[in-house]
Amino acid sequence: RKEVEQDPGPFNVPEGATVAFNCTYSNSASQSFFWYRQDCRKEPKLLMSVYSSGNEDGRFTAQLNRASQYISLLIRDSKLSDSATYLCVVNPAGGFKTIFGAGTRLFVKA
Amino acid sequence: GAGVSQSPSNKVTEKGKDVELRCDPISGHTALYWYRQSLGQGLEFLIYFQGNSAPDKSGLPSDRFSAERTGGSVSTLTIQRTQQEDSAVYLCASSDQSSYNEQFFGPGTRLTVL
Repeated sequence: RKEVEQDPGPFNVPEGATVAFNCTYSNSASQSFFWYRQDCRKEPKLLMSVYSSGNEDGRFTAQLNRASQYISLLIRDSKLSDSATYLCVVNPAGGFKTIFGAGTRLFVKA
Repeated sequence: GAGVSQSPSNKVTEKGKDVELRCDPISGHTALYWYRQSLGQGLEFLIYFQGNSAPDKSGLPSDRFSAERTGGSVSTLTIQRTQQEDSAVYLCASSDQSSYNEQFFGPGTRLTVL
């Protein structure tokens, strides 16, 4: 089993739609969680951290479920500019090592 | 301010040759990471540095791969006797201890081994 697993998609949604991605992780001792965004042929950039209490940043909401070992990302009112690959990132044991999921591709169409 | 820079941006080499990839992290960032991303794949962790030391080298694929960091700043990733399966984008990232684990990535070096 991979340490971090994501549905690769692609998710094809119309503008204005709500879309959700899930990511599961295998190490129950994992301590920190993130969503990164990667545009085609570009480097990844931090989208948001994921906190135990859940957190929201504009149209984006991230949730953590430690009992079931998954994190989620919800995007409301999708924009064309949201088209990208979304990478789930988990820190298995603290410190600086991080494990990236393979990513979920999102296409938002007019 | 200046972000993470990497050089060269593209490198084409022949099988069996050695290559050296360079990363200049954000000034003051103590942690530095190397990743590899093959076409259509996720990021594969290679190594990270805390200052000049590398406490975790577990991701290096083989003994042909090595990395060093000097002065707590610039890092080089060296691949000896390159093979075609080494073709990928090599990404470097740096992190400030005060921003726990947020990593800032460079644009990457696209390596093609013929």
